[in-house]
Amino acid sequence: DIQMTQSPSSLSASVGDRVTITCRASQSISRYLNWYQQKPGKAPKVLIYAASSLQSGVPSRFSGSGSGTDFTLTISTLQPEDFATYYCQQSYSNPRTFGQGTKLEIK
Amino acid sequence: QVQLQESGPGLVKPSETLSLTCTVSGGSIRSYHWSWIRQPPGKGLEWIGYIYYSGSTSYNPSLKSRVTISEDTSKNQFSLKLSSVTAADTAVYYCARFSGSSSGYYYFDYWGQGILVTVSS
Repeated sequence: DIQMTQSPSSLSASVGDRVTITCRASQSISRYLNWYQQKPGKAPKVLIYAASSLQSGVPSRFSGSGSGTDFTLTISTLQPEDFATYYCQQSYSNPRTFGQGTKLEIK
Repeated sequence: QVQLQESGPGLVKPSETLSLTCTVSGGSIRSYHWSWIRQPPGKGLEWIGYIYYSGSTSYNPSLKSRVTISEDTSKNQFSLKLSSVTAADTAVYYCARFSGSSSGYYYFDYWGQGILVTVSS
């Protein structure tokens, strides 16, 4: 199985901040990396697919980068609605695996 | 707009079989991969497996011996059976569509709201 490791596990930030979350794969996954946002009591929502492609309807303040084993999700200017948990997920091979999550909290 | 809705018992006894159904509306299941994903309370996401409209399946090896995913195209539904459950199987279970972009990159684009299944006597 490909292990996905996110850092940090939690993060405190303020509205207007720029935030970066990192995801590392245990082996190269090319650009087969997706990012999801999950709010309490809700299903995850895809933000970024193929490492850097913005899903339709997702605000442009979200961006993704990386390839191989190292990836980042950046939120350029935090909005109040962005406080949530973020997960990376690899689509390179089965079993599809997720990172452990990064909880973004209000400072 | 594609919508998915999970249904099934919210409480299952240990050693019994968990059975859930996902009803898809706004689109046909006769394409795409249709998945089950679970999330124990306060924890992360675990992919259980998926079924392709042709009936082919792929399961997480950690659960493979206990999992069956099937489809009913006449009802536009797909289902999950997980046998010999224990308290460790207590989780919110999501159904989701696993969709590919034109360049072949796949992701979970539509999700159900999730259903909490508790394993307890």
